[in-house]
Amino acid sequence: DAKTTQPNSMESNEEEPVHLPCNHSTISGTDYIHWYRQLPSQGPEYVIHGLTSNVNNRMASLAIAEDRKSSTLILHRATLRDAAVYYCILRDDGGSQGNLIFGKGTKLSVKP
Amino acid sequence: GAVVSQHPSWVICKSGTSVKIECRSLDFQATTMFWYRQFPKQSLMLMATSNEGSKATYEQGVEKDKFLINHASLTLSTLTVTSAHPEDSSFYICSARKLRTQETQYFGPGTRLLVL
Repeated sequence: DAKTTQPNSMESNEEEPVHLPCNHSTISGTDYIHWYRQLPSQGPEYVIHGLTSNVNNRMASLAIAEDRKSSTLILHRATLRDAAVYYCILRDDGGSQGNLIFGKGTKLSVKP
Repeated sequence: GAVVSQHPSWVICKSGTSVKIECRSLDFQATTMFWYRQFPKQSLMLMATSNEGSKATYEQGVEKDKFLINHASLTLSTLTVTSAHPEDSSFYICSARKLRTQETQYFGPGTRLLVL
């Protein structure tokens, strides 16, 4: 699976938007971009995923660059509950296993 | 939504004993389940992938005789840590996926294992 690069940590103020970047310059044509987040002492939680077009759901938005070599997870209004480690993962959804391989992620801190 | 549970949520055992962790998909049938391990302040590391009714596929460096995985039904997979040692102390997390590889993976809450 292609690798991703994310900043180690980011800070945000409560009720402000947060843009979490992810670089994936070696992405292949069949790789989907998945975002998960992990709150302390919990299992990861699915956030959003996409292939080429920008995606929106109740949790977040995903903006994908035109060349697909980078993407940005957007939390529109950060809350204290959004403090977590956010993982950007490429998954070959055309592959036989579709494993999720986790990198180090970005630790998001939200200040009140 | 899809819910995955794990039992127990935490376990303490003596060195040399075996520990079994259960992973259940509560409201969907999971043809594929994954087991991960996470050490403090580190990311999740995939240990093995199991498909219902077949042998698990282990990642490089993971001892299959030490970490026994059974995926006997579409809603249950078990991980048994045999002859546990203190270095096996970790946070074990399972995830489950429906039929197609394109489906979202849903994760359990994790099981914290402490081997004394």
